[in-house]
Amino acid sequence: AQSVAQPEDQVNVAEGNPLTVKCTYSVSGNPYLFWYVQYPNRGLQFLLKYITGDNLVKGSYGFEAEFNKSQTSFHLKKPSALVSDSALYFCAVTAAGNKLTFGGGTRVLVKP
Amino acid sequence: DAGVIQSPRHEVTEMGQEVTLRCKPISGHDYLFWYRQTMMRGLELLIYFNNNVPIDDSGMPEDRFSAKMPNASFSTLKIQPSEPRDSAVYFCASRGTGESQPQHFGDGTRLSIL
Repeated sequence: AQSVAQPEDQVNVAEGNPLTVKCTYSVSGNPYLFWYVQYPNRGLQFLLKYITGDNLVKGSYGFEAEFNKSQTSFHLKKPSALVSDSALYFCAVTAAGNKLTFGGGTRVLVKP
Repeated sequence: DAGVIQSPRHEVTEMGQEVTLRCKPISGHDYLFWYRQTMMRGLELLIYFNNNVPIDDSGMPEDRFSAKMPNASFSTLKIQPSEPRDSAVYFCASRGTGESQPQHFGDGTRLSIL
């Protein structure tokens, strides 16, 4: 069985400060890891993925994520948050299958 | 490029009525997924298709739910009869070949059963 945990329901950060959204996972085998963002009344939008190779993955809108195999983590980061980054963020994992398992989501609020 | 298109965007109907949700995947994608999102349960996979064939429907909550994909460019999710607890946002997503490919989501159908 595969699972994803996003330990924080909400993250508050001031505009211009670094943003981190945490994600840990559990799978059997090598994981494929994804981050998605959801804005109000919209579907999930793909941000970035880790498949293999470099542990630091860069994605859309200045986001990046670091894969840590020993800690089974895939935290999302942005060096300088914008008010427009306020949204719901989902981490997801799959391993040797077509079904993605999503975390419960983390709401990010960036204050001006 | 056109993304995944879902219709209707909003649906309000009375308990007991039949509800049909529609999805047009991205052209060339051979996987299609139906999800349900609620505050209580988060994002749940209901069913997915590969090359128009249902592969896993273990997430379909009851026999009241059914899904079809008659061709590569169209899928439906039907609820009959509908109940208030079916109220949720239903998303369709499509993906190309390969598990490393990201799923692309439509903007969902917000369903309210009165």
